[in-house]
Amino acid sequence: DAMVIQNPRYQVTQFGKPVTLSCSQTLNHNVMYWYQQKSSQAPKLLFHYYDKDFNNEADTPDNFQSRRPNTSFCFLDIRSPGLGDAAMYLCATSSITGEGEAFFGQGTRLTVV
Amino acid sequence: GEDVEQSLFLSVREGDSSVINCTYTDSSSTYLYWYKQEPGAGLQLLTYIFSNMDMKQDQRLTVLLNKKDKHLSLRIADTQTGDSAIYFCAESRNQAGTALIFGKGTTLSVSS
Repeated sequence: DAMVIQNPRYQVTQFGKPVTLSCSQTLNHNVMYWYQQKSSQAPKLLFHYYDKDFNNEADTPDNFQSRRPNTSFCFLDIRSPGLGDAAMYLCATSSITGEGEAFFGQGTRLTVV
Repeated sequence: GEDVEQSLFLSVREGDSSVINCTYTDSSSTYLYWYKQEPGAGLQLLTYIFSNMDMKQDQRLTVLLNKKDKHLSLRIADTQTGDSAIYFCAESRNQAGTALIFGKGTTLSVSS
């Protein structure tokens, strides 16, 4: 059974139109992450939640926001998508009681038209 | 420059061993990880090593860690066509449960 689920797998949005990507987990992990991965590049951490504590990376654009209404769900909001925001968005979770390993969802491929 | 560096491509024949190398920068990383990514999919954890270990073996996978040189390698024995994928090395930036910093990934191509 999938433990980190991302919806949708593929998302097409218009330039400048707000879009939300979803992630849910059944692992009850207290840490949830959002990574952006562009073609042939390393996954880049955008931000993460440690329980309800939000941690933004210094170079994450203001255009990217996140919400975590409860332990199981985390959302990535892109307020005004640009063509440069087209990428694979990966959600991951980890537990502070483990060895730090992150469990990833299948990703959402975002296309901006 | 990149925090974690890997060679971009490796091509091997089925049945041979593959060795994927990585250098990292944060000497305080507690754990180091290897992830595998197949086309269009998320990242799958393959194995990890605690920073006070030199070697870890897990079936066909052997991880070697040279902490002095900040060098990590992944050896895949008896490489199969199903091993073709992108392999990412990652270091934990702080302690367990915070953030992973990934290399660009090594594309492994296995020919029969």
